[in-house]
Amino acid sequence: GIQVEQSPPDLILQEGANSTLRCNFSDSVNNLQWFHQNPWGQLINLFYIPSGTKQNGRLSATTVATERYSLLYISSSQTTDSGVYFCAVDRMDSSYKLIFGSGTRLLVRP
Amino acid sequence: DTGVSQNPRHKITKRGQNVTFRCDPISEHNRLYWYRQTLGQGPEFLTYFQNEAQLEKSRLLSDRFSAERPKGSFSTLEIQRTEQGDSAMYLCASSYGQETDTQYFGPGTRLTVL
Repeated sequence: GIQVEQSPPDLILQEGANSTLRCNFSDSVNNLQWFHQNPWGQLINLFYIPSGTKQNGRLSATTVATERYSLLYISSSQTTDSGVYFCAVDRMDSSYKLIFGSGTRLLVRP
Repeated sequence: DTGVSQNPRHKITKRGQNVTFRCDPISEHNRLYWYRQTLGQGPEFLTYFQNEAQLEKSRLLSDRFSAERPKGSFSTLEIQRTEQGDSAMYLCASSYGQETDTQYFGPGTRLTVL
């Protein structure tokens, strides 16, 4: 099946710093989503981005489908950005089920 | 926009008991998905429905697990004869059902089997 790898696995930042999270996937995809999981376990949609670039406030994402990777940029990080960031994809011939990476655990210190 | 809701939020049970979880999707969404997440891992797909039809089940879904979506609206996930290995967060998601669309997740039900 399709493999989804995220890096780095853990990241500690000082408030105000910028960061880049990476997601590599091993096959062509129909759908790619980035999520933020808060400390209570809720998965919050950040981006639906199978290709191209999107921005939402301090967050932006870029997916290069032909090279099978996606990047999530966090600028001017805040303590509320702490949590786990997941990338999830579904294959082009799949039943729309999402395959998740193992996540990047982010801690932003004040 | 009421979002996806799940009940109960937490469930503690003894090994061997049966449990049932409920998911209410966003009202106009045709697809409904169940995932399971264990500590330190990403969610894993269990099963999904297009309206009331269950179209795919993961190999993770043993015969002790059953899911229904009788009228194409809410769904239930039942686990019979629970085992300690069933302890996990059970997540429900829904989507419109277009060729390319976004899945929205509920808050999850955290199951602890003693």
